[in-house]
Amino acid sequence: GEDVEQSLFLSVREGDSSVINCTYTDSSSTYLYWYKQEPGAGLQLLTYIFSNMDMKQDQRLTVLLNKKDKHLSLRIADTQTGDSAIYFCAERVGGGYQKVTFGIGTKLQVIP
Amino acid sequence: EPEVTQTPSHQVTQMGQEVILRCVPISNHLYFYWYRQILGQKVEFLVSFYNNEISEKSEIFDDQFSVERPDGSNFTLKIRSTKLEDSAMYFCASSLGEQFFGPGTRLTVL
Repeated sequence: GEDVEQSLFLSVREGDSSVINCTYTDSSSTYLYWYKQEPGAGLQLLTYIFSNMDMKQDQRLTVLLNKKDKHLSLRIADTQTGDSAIYFCAERVGGGYQKVTFGIGTKLQVIP
Repeated sequence: EPEVTQTPSHQVTQMGQEVILRCVPISNHLYFYWYRQILGQKVEFLVSFYNNEISEKSEIFDDQFSVERPDGSNFTLKIRSTKLEDSAMYFCASSLGEQFFGPGTRLTVL
């Protein structure tokens, strides 16, 4: 079955790059996602990558996918205090109606 | 930008009581979901709903749970007889492809 693992905590200084890592188990994942959750708020879809891609860039965000190692990462360039949040890695196996399986979330703390 | 909304934001109930959590999905979306997140644990899938019926449900979604789309706009999750372990944040999501989540309802069962 699907399982997604990620580290619990990351602390970076404002202006540095953050790299949040994730591993997943299901090699038939079709999409991999990064969601952001700010305190008291819902899950905001940040970005996603299709499984036949190995990189996607969207402004300050870079997603890298290593399908062989089942490893996904999210790089945030020039991290700001507003980036402090919990970041969830997630995968979807199959078509658009299928469930999403989440990791436990990495809490990113940005130190001014 | 259209968004998924959920009410109430926080619900407190006594064990054994019924609760109904409400969601208004994004209007042109066709698939609807409920997930939950127990404090300190992963976000877990409960159920998906399409074309007025359940598409998939997890082991968590037992006979105490039911979903309904009563009027073409709302999507509800009912828990018939709440247990202490049902205390969690409940997220609704809707999709045409990618899933968009609501802000969640925090359910506290005393």
